[in-house]
This record gives sequence, structure tokens and C-alpha cells, in this order.
Amino acid sequence: DGGITQSPKYLFRKEGQNVTLSCEQNLNHDAMYWYRQDPGQGLRLIYYSQIVNDFQKGDIAEGYSVSREKKESFPLTVTSAQKNPTAFYLCASSIGFGRDKDTQYFGPGTRLTVL
Amino acid sequence: AQSVTQLGSHVSVSEGALVLLRCNYSSSVPPYLFWYVQYPNQGLQLLLKYTSAATLVKGINGFEAEFKKSETSFHLTKPSAHMSDAAEYFCAVSGVGDMRFGAGTRLTVKP
Repeated sequence: DGGITQSPKYLFRKEGQNVTLSCEQNLNHDAMYWYRQDPGQGLRLIYYSQIVNDFQKGDIAEGYSVSREKKESFPLTVTSAQKNPTAFYLCASSIGFGRDKDTQYFGPGTRLTVL
Repeated sequence: AQSVTQLGSHVSVSEGALVLLRCNYSSSVPPYLFWYVQYPNQGLQLLLKYTSAATLVKGINGFEAEFKKSETSFHLTKPSAHMSDAAEYFCAVSGVGDMRFGAGTRLTVKP
């Protein structure tokens, strides 16, 4: 079955540590996205990638970094510079970017808690 | 640019009653509109999408939404609520640039 996987489901981190969240898709989609979800605030876009080896900042990129070395993978690193990293993180992918291609399909999410 | 506003962060209905979740959009170009559902601690699942083919769009689980250009609305409805419909629902719009999501509406279904 095609889909998007995120790991781990739950992640705990001490303050001052960097942590990397995994996102893999086997849908052969070109575009991938990372969102942060906080209660009552909906989804906020962190980074997106339209194609391999290219990515752009979203609305709240500060304190985060990404890479896109393979079409299937789009890992997100939460750095120690992120002031309030405790949140639910969602990865998504779409066939492409722009109208007619941008229906997004989501992974199950990773809940990050900073201790 | 585009945006959506979901009216009501929390809606409560009785089992068997009509479900109506409201979404208004703003877009500088003809929009594509989406509804997603999220169950606790899970990702978002696509319910339905509007891409200008027909104004009444039918989705999964008995939900449907009607695009009304004059009202800039795309409200989600279901004739009879089921306990399993309890979840958070997100409206989203795409038009120029990246997709934009609303803040979400939490639906509670009372027995």
C-alpha cells in the first residue's frame, strides 16, 4: 500500500538538544511539506519542498531545518534554537505544487515533547 | 494569496442530527477547496475537494459540501451524525502558492 510514514510516533527531548523527525513516502510524489499543529491554531507550514534538492521556508521556519536528498524522504530537524518545540508535527505530500497537483496527503504525525 | 475562516471552533450535535460546519474563503483566483478530518493523535484524512467541476461535492462517510461563490462559502454537511463522526475538521484553500488551512472545528456528537 502506498502512503506516508512518520517516525517515531512519540518523541521526548531534553532542552538544548537537536532532534530529527522522519518522513517517508512511497507515493512517487514530488512535493512534500512539514506542518506544526498546536491546539486551536490549526496547521502552520514550516518548510516545503517542490522537488529533490530544493526546499523553501514556510511561515514558521525559524529553529527548524530540512533536507531533501531523495524523492521519498523529507526529514525535519528541530534545533535547540526553536523556543517552544513541544507540538504535533505532520508531514504531507502531493503530486506536485500548484493547482491540480496540490491535494495533500498526510502522515500519522509525531508528537514531540520537550522535557 | 488565499485564506479560510472556519466559524465556530467547537460544534456539538446529537446523534442523528444534521451536521453543519462552516467555512468561508478568500482568494484572488478561482479557488480549489478541501475538507479534511482528523481523529485524535492522527494525521489528516481528505474528506472531499472542490475543483470547479460541480458546486455540490460528495465525499466519504456521507459528507458533502456546497461551493457558493456569491457567499464565498464552502460549508460541510451531513444529514445524520454518527458517534464515529466526532473529530476535528479542517477547511483548506489553494489558489496561488501553497495551501492554507483554517483553524479547525471540533465536532462533538452526543448520544
